[in-house]
Amino acid sequence: GQLAQSGSEVKKPGASVRVSCKASGYTFIAYSLHWVRQAPGQGLEWVGRIIPYNGVTNYAQKFQGRVSLTRDTSVSTAYMELTSLTSDDTAVYYCATGIAAGDTNYFDPWGQGTLVTVSS
Amino acid sequence: SYELTQPPSVSVSPGQTARITCFGIALPKLYASWYQQKPGQAPVLLIYKDTERSSGIPERFSGSSSGTTVTLTISGVQAEDEADYYCQSADSSGNVVFGGGTKLTVL
Repeated sequence: GQLAQSGSEVKKPGASVRVSCKASGYTFIAYSLHWVRQAPGQGLEWVGRIIPYNGVTNYAQKFQGRVSLTRDTSVSTAYMELTSLTSDDTAVYYCATGIAAGDTNYFDPWGQGTLVTVSS
Repeated sequence: SYELTQPPSVSVSPGQTARITCFGIALPKLYASWYQQKPGQAPVLLIYKDTERSSGIPERFSGSSSGTTVTLTISGVQAEDEADYYCQSADSSGNVVFGGGTKLTVL
């Protein structure tokens, strides 16, 4: 399978951004879809997940109230919207397919990443 | 909040064995995975379910688990293995957690 993400974005503080992630080569509704971000020079940070089959979502506490994950099963695409952007949200945002392993997941494949830059 | 602890850096000469550890108190109960990330690239799955090698990953990469620590071992390190390595698991609520990452330098 493959995940193809939308292109880079430049946003002003306070704005919102929407990133898309199109799945191909596997059954989109059979696996969870996760979003992970990486600030410049920093490590990986989990944002949240959506279950494409039923739309159920879980968000990292840090992003609660500011992130919304949705999906359109007709086009095998997931979306992440992040609102009230600040410079701290400048990062590469990845989507990744989550495969169940006991009570956790592992991620394969990953999208190519979308750079979101927040600057006035 | 739950954390996975990795050494910030590991250095090894070509042909030697590199071991990268990941400590987490929930690891006896929850599987861990390992990812390799090279500059400007997305992470790549190396190991899942503590010890299972992902498809297409060279045999020199292996994973092991002992109690609260999982270990990624790279045998016969090559220059191309220089990268950042991340462990990943979950907390008791099922939220995904990543280790802080380990930069592997091949001397």
